[in-house]
Amino acid sequence: DVKVTQSSRYLVKRTGEKVFLECVQDMDHENMFWYRQDPGLGLRLIYFSYDVKMKEKGDIPEGYSVSREKKERFSLILESASTNQTSMYLCASSLTTAISYNEQFFGPGTRLTVL
Amino acid sequence: AQRVTQPEKLLSVFKGAPVELKCNYSYSGSPELFWYVQYSRQRLQLLLRHISRESIKGFTADLNKGETSFHLKKPFAQEEDSAMYYCALTPRTTGGFKTIFGAGTRLFVKA
Repeated sequence: DVKVTQSSRYLVKRTGEKVFLECVQDMDHENMFWYRQDPGLGLRLIYFSYDVKMKEKGDIPEGYSVSREKKERFSLILESASTNQTSMYLCASSLTTAISYNEQFFGPGTRLTVL
Repeated sequence: AQRVTQPEKLLSVFKGAPVELKCNYSYSGSPELFWYVQYSRQRLQLLLRHISRESIKGFTADLNKGETSFHLKKPFAQEEDSAMYYCALTPRTTGGFKTIFGAGTRLFVKA
C-alpha cells in the first residue's frame, strides 16, 4: 500500500512565524502535491512537483513556498504565517504512467492554526 | 477554463433511499474523472474512476460527455456512506498530473 505521511496532525503557530510542513511518500512517486482543504471551497492546489528540485505553482501559491530535495519528501513552507492560512493541509502523491490514471494518494492532513 | 462544479454542499437522505451526487465539469478535451471520498477521521481516498467503469461499495458514475456530467449514484444508501465526496478532473495533457477538485458534497444518510 502507498503510504503518505505528514509530520504533524495538529500544529499551532503565531502570526509571523516560519512554518514547515513535511510530507513523505514511500512508493517512488514522481508527483507530489500540497492542497488546502477549506469548508465550501474543496481542495485548492498550492504547489506541486513532478520531479526532484522541480516545482510548479498551483492555484493559490501566495504566501507559500516548497522544497523537494529528495524524491520521497515534499515540504511546504509558510515564510511568515498569517491567520488566513489557518486551514487543513493535505499532501498527496501520484505516479504518472499510461495506465495509472493519475490516482492521487493522500496523507492524513495537518490542521494548522495560526493565532 | 477547467472547472468542476458540485452544486450541492449537503445532501441528506434516508437509509435505503437512492442517492445521486451531482458533478459537472468544464473542459474542452477528454478528461480523466474521479470520485474521491473522505470518511470521518480518515484520509481522502479514491472511490472510483470513470475509465475503469467499476462499481465500488455499490456506487457507480457515468460520464455524460454531452452534458459534461459525472454524477455519482447508489440505488440504496447505507449509513456508512455518510462522508464527504469530491468530484475531480485530471486533464489528459502531457504529464496530466494536475487534478482539479470540486468543492465537495457532504452526504448524510439518516437511519
